Amino acid sequence: RKEVEQDPGPFNVPEGATVAFNCTYSNSASQSFFWYRQDCRKEPKLLMSVYSSGNEDGRFTAQLNRASQYISLLIRDSKLSDSATYLCVADTGNQFYFGTGTSLTVIP
Amino acid sequence: GAVVSQHPSWVICKSGTSVKIECRSLDFQATTMFWYRQFPKQSLMLMATSNEGSKATYEQGVEKDKFLINHASLTLSTLTVTSAHPEDSSFYICSASKGPAHQPQHFGDGTRLSIL
Repeated sequence: RKEVEQDPGPFNVPEGATVAFNCTYSNSASQSFFWYRQDCRKEPKLLMSVYSSGNEDGRFTAQLNRASQYISLLIRDSKLSDSATYLCVADTGNQFYFGTGTSLTVIP
Repeated sequence: GAVVSQHPSWVICKSGTSVKIECRSLDFQATTMFWYRQFPKQSLMLMATSNEGSKATYEQGVEKDKFLINHASLTLSTLTVTSAHPEDSSFYICSASKGPAHQPQHFGDGTRLSIL
C-alpha cells in the first residue's frame, strides 16, 4: 500500500465550478500535510500547508481528518489557470511522502 | 520568501558525459536538501536526501556511484550524473526545507537532462 494515495483523475470541470480532491495517508505518525500544484514540465509549487484541522486561502480550502486519515483540497470558482496537477504530501517529521498527483483541467 | 535556484535548467549532452546540477537556497540556510527525478506524466521519485557536511542518504535502487551528491555548504548541494546515458534523461528537481521538521519543501526550477 502506498503511503499517500490520490485519485489521479483526470478531473475536467467547467470554469466557475467547485471541485474537491481527496488524499489518504497510511502513516498515522504523519503530522504535517501540504498541497502542491505542478504545471506540466515545471517544478511543484507550494499551494497550502495544513498543520491542524484545515486551512483556507482565498478560493482554496484544505481540510484534515486525522481520524479517517485523509486530507482534502477544495477549489471554488475554478479558473482556467487552476489547470494543473495537484500533489498531496504527508510529512512524518522524518520523511515526506508524495502522492502521485491529481490532474485537473478547467474547461472554458 | 524561500527561494531555491537550480542550474542549469536544460542540458543536452552526448552519452558518456558527466553532468553536474547545482541547487542553491538563496534566502535561507538548508541543512537538508532533496533530489528527485520525474519522468513524463509520472510522479516525483525521491532519489536521495542530502545533508550538509555528511554523506547523502540514497533511496533503494538509486546508484550512489552513478548519482554523486555533495552538500558542501548550507546553501548549496550538487548532483553529478556520472557517465550519463540516454536512460538517464529525465527531469531532475531539488528541494530544500527552511528548518526542522514540519516545514514545507521548496523546489528549484528543475533541470531537464537529455542525453543523446
